[in-house]
Amino acid sequence: DAKTTQPTSMDCAEGRAANLPCNHSTISGNEYVYWYRQIHSQGPQYIIHGLKNNETNEMASLIITEDRKSSTLILPHATLRDTAVYYCIVRVTAGGFKTIFGAGTRLFVKA
Amino acid sequence: NAGVTQTPKFQVLKTGQSMTLQCAQDMNHNSMYWYRQDPGMGLRLIYYSASEGTTDKGEVPNGYNVSRLNKREFSLRLESAAPSQTSVYFCASSEFGEGTMAEAFFGQGTRLTVV
Repeated sequence: DAKTTQPTSMDCAEGRAANLPCNHSTISGNEYVYWYRQIHSQGPQYIIHGLKNNETNEMASLIITEDRKSSTLILPHATLRDTAVYYCIVRVTAGGFKTIFGAGTRLFVKA
Repeated sequence: NAGVTQTPKFQVLKTGQSMTLQCAQDMNHNSMYWYRQDPGMGLRLIYYSASEGTTDKGEVPNGYNVSRLNKREFSLRLESAAPSQTSVYFCASSEFGEGTMAEAFFGQGTRLTVV
């Protein structure tokens, strides 16, 4: 099964860019990478998704390597409210539908 | 604009009791999902519904049943609760079909304790 690997935790200074890596080396060619975050124990919040091109929206940028084995979520100017657990997700369809959330990266934004 | 509404927010059950977790979305979304999240872990998919009238198993369906009552509502039933089902349950919906996780909206969760 495709799965994701992320650092357990990361720190970032307020106002600086936060770069969150994700390894998904077994992703299949037509599967997207999705990023969500979870603040405290609230429901997860959608951030961005992509297939093979880099993507940008009002929240973040997503950089996907050419071989699609890894990606990086970039929060360009992190604020204290960006402190959360960030999940990199791939959707697997072989053998039945699954979404592999993993344990995520706990990002601490410090003043 | 309520988004995804889950009821109840908290529940304590005794082992063997049954209950239904309710979920409703007001965004006219096609796909709906039920996840569970155990302490310190990521979310695991229980069941999903890619469109009205269809439901399919996810990673951890044992001990659960679901009903897609209409396009708005997707309920999760525990027929005989067990302590291993103590968890936080999240419902989600997405306008995209086929169970994609693109731009899904999540509810605030139901915290269930089985004693």
